[in-house]
Amino acid sequence: EAGVTQFPSHSVIEKGQTVTLRCDPISGHDNLYWYRRVMGKEIKFLLHFVKESKQDESGMPNNRFLAERTGGTYSTLKVQPAELEDSGVYFCASSGGGAGNEQFFGPGTRLTVL
Amino acid sequence: GDSVTQMEGPVTLSEEAFLTINCTYTATGYPSLFWYVQYPGEGLQLLLKATKADDKGSNKGFEATYRKETTSFHLEKGSVQVSDSAVYFCALNPRSGSARQLTFGSGTQLTVLP
Repeated sequence: EAGVTQFPSHSVIEKGQTVTLRCDPISGHDNLYWYRRVMGKEIKFLLHFVKESKQDESGMPNNRFLAERTGGTYSTLKVQPAELEDSGVYFCASSGGGAGNEQFFGPGTRLTVL
Repeated sequence: GDSVTQMEGPVTLSEEAFLTINCTYTATGYPSLFWYVQYPGEGLQLLLKATKADDKGSNKGFEATYRKETTSFHLEKGSVQVSDSAVYFCALNPRSGSARQLTFGSGTQLTVLP
């Protein structure tokens, strides 16, 4: 069974540009999470989808970030316009409710804003 | 709010040395505790977990015991290998088994030299 996949693996953009990150969760997982690690610090929660609904978006830093999960399958996270402080590694995770709701993580997208 | 404090790195050890990475937490209620590992170029993988006080999680020679009295979940391994070189993250789920977001520590970079 395929794990959580993320695309792209790396993205380098200039300040003011737009970037869209994609996450494909494990098939059948209703819960999808976005996290971010900035500058080697702790991994911080951004938001949580249950199917196509936003369950918790308390970690979204500002309105330049827009997350969607149309149809309850894959999710996108758009940053528009990107700022220097948005640089970091963006992780996606999914869980299916079983085994204590273990979260399975993707490899992350490394975003660099110049 | 909930928080995880993790021993700062980087940590460099010789092969077969003993490893301890300290982790303490602050949480209300009854959290689950986790150690995740990120090998170079890969995503986060669950290394071990403990869901209640006095539980010991273990995997691949690593161990950690959930100590409620000291609010700690220190990671230990008796004899590290070069292949253990990675970044280690301590994390908690504030409500054990629930589909809640994880709170992470800042990560500890471990390098094991041959």
